[in-house]
Amino acid sequence: GAGVSQSPSNKVTEKGKDVELRCDPISGHTALYWYRQSLGQGLEFLIYFQGNSAPDKSGLPSDRFSAERTGGSVSTLTIQRTQQEDSAVYLCASSSSSGSTYNEQFFGPGTRLTVL
Amino acid sequence: GDSVTQMEGPVTLSEEAFLTINCTYTATGYPSLFWYVQYPGEGLQLLLKATKADDKGSNKGFEATYRKETTSFHLEKGSVQVSDSAVYFCALTRLANNDMRFGAGTRLTVKP
Repeated sequence: GAGVSQSPSNKVTEKGKDVELRCDPISGHTALYWYRQSLGQGLEFLIYFQGNSAPDKSGLPSDRFSAERTGGSVSTLTIQRTQQEDSAVYLCASSSSSGSTYNEQFFGPGTRLTVL
Repeated sequence: GDSVTQMEGPVTLSEEAFLTINCTYTATGYPSLFWYVQYPGEGLQLLLKATKADDKGSNKGFEATYRKETTSFHLEKGSVQVSDSAVYFCALTRLANNDMRFGAGTRLTVKP
């Protein structure tokens, strides 16, 4: 079956513009995660969805960042009024469930965002 | 909060050399521990994992043992190959949400 897919693969935008990044998880995976990989700073957790709800938004770096998930499947990460420090690779991952036992997370290829 | 600290890179080795990449963690409870690998131009892939103390994860000749007493999960390989050149990330899961906390990554270059 298909893995996690993300689009676009690359996005170049001007400072101040809004961008939308899309994640299509593995079919049937109820848990979905967004991470950010900045050069020299490793990976940073942004937000987690279980189904359509987001019980943990603690990683979103500012109120310019928001995410939604509809139908328990596709998720969109929106960055408003982009800044140059938003430039990074945004990774999405999904897993079959969440809770007290670990379920492997499968990562998408990422979206490379460049803010000029 | 929960966090992971891993050895800074870059690391450059000759083929067939022994590899160790150190990883220590801080966490409440008993997290699961992982090593992920990112080959050039590819996405993150799970390399190995350990879900409880004293477990040893292994894959592709790599090993790591979950040491609760030293809060460590060091990655080792006895004889590296050029094809092992990649960035390696140590990570843990927070049991509450299953989200992952990653180390900064260690870039390994293996020269023939």
